Amino acid sequence: GQNIDQPTEMTATEGAIVQINCTYQTSGFNGLFWYQQHAGEAPTFLSYNVLDGLEEKGRFSSFLSRSKGYSYLLLKELQMKDSASYLCAVRSSNYQLIWGAGTKLIIKP
Amino acid sequence: DSGVTQTPKHLITATGQRVTLRCSPRSGDLSVYWYQQSLDQGLQFLIQYYNGEERAKGNILERFSAQQFPDLHSELNLSSLELGDSALYFCASSVEGAANEKLFFGSGTQLSVL
Repeated sequence: GQNIDQPTEMTATEGAIVQINCTYQTSGFNGLFWYQQHAGEAPTFLSYNVLDGLEEKGRFSSFLSRSKGYSYLLLKELQMKDSASYLCAVRSSNYQLIWGAGTKLIIKP
Repeated sequence: DSGVTQTPKHLITATGQRVTLRCSPRSGDLSVYWYQQSLDQGLQFLIQYYNGEERAKGNILERFSAQQFPDLHSELNLSSLELGDSALYFCASSVEGAANEKLFFGSGTQLSVL
C-alpha cells in the first residue's frame, strides 16, 4: 500500500528551530509537497521538492532524499503564528497526491 | 485569498438529507479536486475533474457524486447523509494537474449532520 508517516504533534519554543520529518512509501514518485494549515482554515502551499537536496525559502527549508523515501521541513526563528499543522504530500506514479495526516506544531513562548 | 471560492461556508442538516457543495476554481485553472477532512484527521481525496471530465477517483462513497460544468465550476453532491459525514469539505484547483503544480484550496464548507 501507499502511506506517508509524520509525527502527530510537536512542540517547540518561540525563536527556536524545529524539524518536521516525513517518510513515504508510494507507487512511484513525482514530487513532494509541504503545506501549512491553520486550524479550521485551508491548507496553503509551502514547498515542492522533486530532486534530492535542500530548498530554502526564507525561514522555511525543505529537504528530500528519494533513495530513503524521506523529507523534512525545517522552520527557523519560530514565531507564534507558525503554530499550525504541517502536511506532507507525495505525487505518486499516477499523479495522485497522497497526503500524510499532518503534524500539529505547537509553539510556546 | 487563494482565488478558489466555495459556498456555502457552513451547512447544517439532518441525517438522510441531501446537500450540494459548490466550488469555483481560480481563473484559468482547469483541474478541480474535492477533499474531506474530519476533525483532527488528514485530507481524504474524494475526486478530481479536469476540464469537465473525471480524471481520478479516491475514497468517495457511492452516496457522493460530483461533476464539473462547462464553465469549470464544480459541485459535490452528498446524499443519504449520515452523522459520520460531518466534516470540512475542501475544493482545490490547479492549472492542469501536472506533477509539479501546487494546489490552491478554497476556505472549505463545514458540514454538520445532526
